[in-house]
Amino acid sequence: SYVLTQPPSVSVAPGQTARIPCGGNDIGTQSVHWYQQKPGQAPILVIYDDSKRPSGIPERFAGSNSGNTATLTINRVEAEDEADYYCQVWESNIDHVVFGGGTKLTVL
Amino acid sequence: EVHLEESGGGLVQPGGSLRLSCAASGFTFSDYEMNWVRQAPGKGLEWLSYITTRGTTIYYADSMEGRFTISRDNAKNSLYLQMSSLRVEDTAVYYCARAGYGPLYMDVWGKGTTVTVSS
Repeated sequence: SYVLTQPPSVSVAPGQTARIPCGGNDIGTQSVHWYQQKPGQAPILVIYDDSKRPSGIPERFAGSNSGNTATLTINRVEAEDEADYYCQVWESNIDHVVFGGGTKLTVL
Repeated sequence: EVHLEESGGGLVQPGGSLRLSCAASGFTFSDYEMNWVRQAPGKGLEWLSYITTRGTTIYYADSMEGRFTISRDNAKNSLYLQMSSLRVEDTAVYYCARAGYGPLYMDVWGKGTTVTVSS
């Protein structure tokens, strides 16, 4: 089955830019979606279809997808952005949702 | 306000059964596909199952191995997950999530219900 690879952790100082990669074979040909999950809370959708932001998600959140890597970019990182982030695709060949393993974003 | 609320979790012995429910409000439930996703303690998200608006198409993760059954009752604005032959490794928080566009992504999530499988 399709595998999405994320680094376990990313650290960034407040005000800087955080980039969270999600690797997958030819992932650029798929639509990638991103979720934020804070401790003890349910996930929320922060990016869908590679780069679209749902209503209420700050413009600081952006997504891109090309080749074998999709990237969630968080500009001007704030303390409240500290969370786990998961990428996700729909694997149409087998009709399955696939999640990446998740990346813990630490704001230093 | 769009809202999903899971219920039915609890402590169950290995080999036992449990039925989870998800009550939807604030949107036309019958217009949306739905999913179940779980998260074991300290682990990542694991997709379990997807159901179309009328329940005519259902997908399951391979790991469910026929032990879990998803269903819905549009008249009651409710989604269900019947779980049987439960194992210790099924211990997790179980979330229902609304599909944003077909099966592609999930735009609304409930707060989850905790299932603990232990003797």
